[in-house]
Amino acid sequence: DSGVTQTPKHLITATGQRVTLRCSPRSGDLSVYWYQQSLDQGLQFLIQYYNGEERAKGNILERFSAQQFPDLHSELNLSSLELGDSALYFCASSVGSSGEKLFFGSGTQLSVL
Amino acid sequence: GESVGLHLPTLSVQEGDNSIINCAYSNSASDYFIWYKQESGKGPQFIIDIRSNMDKRQGQRVTVLLNKTVKHLSLQIAATQPGDSAVYFCAEGASGGYQKVTFGIGTKLQVIP
Repeated sequence: DSGVTQTPKHLITATGQRVTLRCSPRSGDLSVYWYQQSLDQGLQFLIQYYNGEERAKGNILERFSAQQFPDLHSELNLSSLELGDSALYFCASSVGSSGEKLFFGSGTQLSVL
Repeated sequence: GESVGLHLPTLSVQEGDNSIINCAYSNSASDYFIWYKQESGKGPQFIIDIRSNMDKRQGQRVTVLLNKTVKHLSLQIAATQPGDSAVYFCAEGASGGYQKVTFGIGTKLQVIP
């Protein structure tokens, strides 16, 4: 168990809908990272937050947004969903902000039908 | 329709033999390298890391070798066990503020009992 909790584990929704994925980092970790893993793109970095502030952005679509709350949990919001958004979404956390030694959650499997 | 996915390189190894998983990285500015293991249905798990001021680092049954001249990284697993069967990712990052950690496509290790 990595100590990172992601909910829900599975999510099935329809195109055009909006969903929210939730992540609780390991106790003491200030950074949260979101990754998307799909069959044709591998593990893609989306966005990172450190102590409530956005720190780095990767290949995140404008339809997607995220935030980190004062209690350090994070949410990834995906809107106007398309079939191609179906993927496994991972949250990871680390103590610092430099991307070292990430601890990953078990992921949320999103299926857009 | 037919699904399209990344063609992961696959390494098949007899149980008890040593495994060597290779990775080429692209960014000359990268100075921090990490290996992650991802078992089926789970998130990636940190195995070992190495900084660019080293060319070798050993852990428990694992050794990472770094060749900066040819931008090559390898993970050696001694006495491979069935529990080592997983997809292995190398990742690279650069220090000096946050630099997103970029993951390779992964190598699937199959251990033959």
